[in-house]
Amino acid sequence: EPEVTQTPSHQVTQMGQEVILRCVPISNHLYFYWYRQILGQKVEFLVSFYNNEISEKSEIFDDQFSVERPDGSNFTLKIRSTKLEDSAMYFCASRAGTSGEQFFGPGTRLTVL
Amino acid sequence: AQSVAQPEDQVNVAEGNPLTVKCTYSVSGNPYLFWYVQYPNRGLQFLLKYITGDNLVKGSYGFEAEFNKSQTSFHLKKPSALVSDSALYFCAANDYKLSFGAGTTVTVRA
Repeated sequence: EPEVTQTPSHQVTQMGQEVILRCVPISNHLYFYWYRQILGQKVEFLVSFYNNEISEKSEIFDDQFSVERPDGSNFTLKIRSTKLEDSAMYFCASRAGTSGEQFFGPGTRLTVL
Repeated sequence: AQSVAQPEDQVNVAEGNPLTVKCTYSVSGNPYLFWYVQYPNRGLQFLLKYITGDNLVKGSYGFEAEFNKSQTSFHLKKPSALVSDSALYFCAANDYKLSFGAGTTVTVRA
């Protein structure tokens, strides 16, 4: 069964450093998402991506964040200068159509020291 | 704006007893509603969805959910809970992006 994959599973970085979180969505899906979950809190939407551009972003997704689909398979989230409060689990998700369910990857735990 | 609420932080049931996890929603237009489950250190797994049609939706692992438009609810149910159902459950509404509830921790004791 096809699945969304994410690498790395855990990333530790120093405050102010850049990090890139990687995702491989399900191959025939057209809509891509990033969410985050701060420990003990609910899952929050960050950004959606369709047709090679951002379709919607939340207030969390400020200028420090960017997304890219550099080739036909990868979908990346970049945080330019990490802050302590960026520590969270980051989930990638993809969806085939507009009303179907989103399929989530296992997540990347980002720890900013 | 859309939102979902899960009024219970925790639900505790004995194995073999019915399990209900509550969710209410507030959306404009027709609601697309979902339930996801999260096991420790794992991603979110899709359980079931309501898009349109029958108000009783059947999903994975014996779970079902009842859509109630008048009460704006979408409660998750399982007739006979298993210890392995112990996990964190999220209700979500879809308006192109998913808006999640705060989650309900389910503990099923043997």
